[in-house]
Amino acid sequence: EAGVTQSPTHLIKTRGQQVTLRCSPISGHTSVYWYQQALGLGLQFLLWYDEGEERNRGNFPPRFSGRQFPNYSSELNVNALELEDSALYLCASSLEGTPNEKLFFGSGTQLSVL
Amino acid sequence: DAKTTQPPSMDCAEGRAANLPCNHSTISGNEYVYWYRQIHSQGPQYIIHGLKNNETNEMASLIITEDRKSSTLILPHATLRDTAVYYCIARDLNQAGTALIFGKGTTLSVSS
Repeated sequence: EAGVTQSPTHLIKTRGQQVTLRCSPISGHTSVYWYQQALGLGLQFLLWYDEGEERNRGNFPPRFSGRQFPNYSSELNVNALELEDSALYLCASSLEGTPNEKLFFGSGTQLSVL
Repeated sequence: DAKTTQPPSMDCAEGRAANLPCNHSTISGNEYVYWYRQIHSQGPQYIIHGLKNNETNEMASLIITEDRKSSTLILPHATLRDTAVYYCIARDLNQAGTALIFGKGTTLSVSS
């Protein structure tokens, strides 16, 4: 069974640009979560999608957005990139998105903003 | 979800048991205790979770005190590959619509 896949694995952008990160959940999983992990910091919750709808959002500005497609894959978009957006972006999926569900994480996209 | 407190770092010799403590003194009756770990530059990996009873799987054992105010994750025979950040999370089953929030965790260093 394939795990959570993310693309690209690494990305370099300049300040002010826009970026799109992609995530494919485990087959059968309907919930997708996005987390940001800046160097030396913990995982910060960004967004949660379930059945195509945004269920919850972390404390991030509106330039962080995303969507979930009918096949449950997801995109994370970041506009007007800032230097502090440099981080590992992790996607996770779960079966139903209930509080008791286990999360399965991908290996992440390492974004560097210059 | 209840706040959890973990030591920032621990060391363990290879082949020995690693016992990682977690304090969750304000945990409610509906909250499970979850453990995840994150090996450097990878996504976190689910390890185990429990409510009241002790739990064991192929990766680890989880011991929860009778008053549920603390728990211990046990890696019975630590290997170098167990070097990682270990996160203890209290998760409320009634918190529908909220995502899993990770704290700072414990950095476990296993050495030969």
